[in-house]
Amino acid sequence: GAGVSQSPSNKVTEKGKDVELRCDPISGHTALYWYRQSLGQGLEFLIYFQGNSAPDKSGLPSDRFSAERTGGSVSTLTIQRTQQEDSAVYLCASSLGPEGTLSYEQYFGPGTRLTVT
Amino acid sequence: ILNVEQSPQSLHVQEGDSTNFTCSFPSSNFYALHWYRWETAKSPEALFVMTLNGDEKKKGRISATLNTKEGYSYLYIKGSQPEDSATYLCAFTGGRGGNNRLAFGKGNQVVVIP
Repeated sequence: GAGVSQSPSNKVTEKGKDVELRCDPISGHTALYWYRQSLGQGLEFLIYFQGNSAPDKSGLPSDRFSAERTGGSVSTLTIQRTQQEDSAVYLCASSLGPEGTLSYEQYFGPGTRLTVT
Repeated sequence: ILNVEQSPQSLHVQEGDSTNFTCSFPSSNFYALHWYRWETAKSPEALFVMTLNGDEKKKGRISATLNTKEGYSYLYIKGSQPEDSATYLCAFTGGRGGNNRLAFGKGNQVVVIP
């Protein structure tokens, strides 16, 4: 079946502009995660959705970052007034959710490489 | 903050040689330890998920072990091939019943030289 997809695959934007990154999780997966990898760093957690709610937003680095999920499916990560330090690879992952037998298994999309100039 | 450390950060391996690397993680509140293989411009691919102390998993020429009491996992590649070139990510899940967010190390970047 289809895996996790993300769009765009690459995005170059000017400092100060807003960007939207999209994630389509695996059908039926209720849990969705956003992570990012900045240069020289490991992947870091940003936000977790269960269904359409986000009970854990603790990884969002500033109030310029927001995310939503609709219909228990697609999620959008929005970065307002982008800064150069926002340049990173943004990865989305989905899993069956806490009720799933293997709830800890996460399946990743190919990521969006964001470059802020 | 969950500290997951991977070493070495990068290594070059001659084709046919075997290699291994280490992941250390918090030994308290353990739930699962994951290894992923990540090639540039592709999705991280799940290699192993281990939950029990003493777990050993194998997939082809790649294998992994887990010690939850001392907080480390080893990943082994036997007879390295050029297609093994990738970054190998270790990730820790703590707190069974929580949101299962992953805490990653910085990865082991492997280049296999033909």
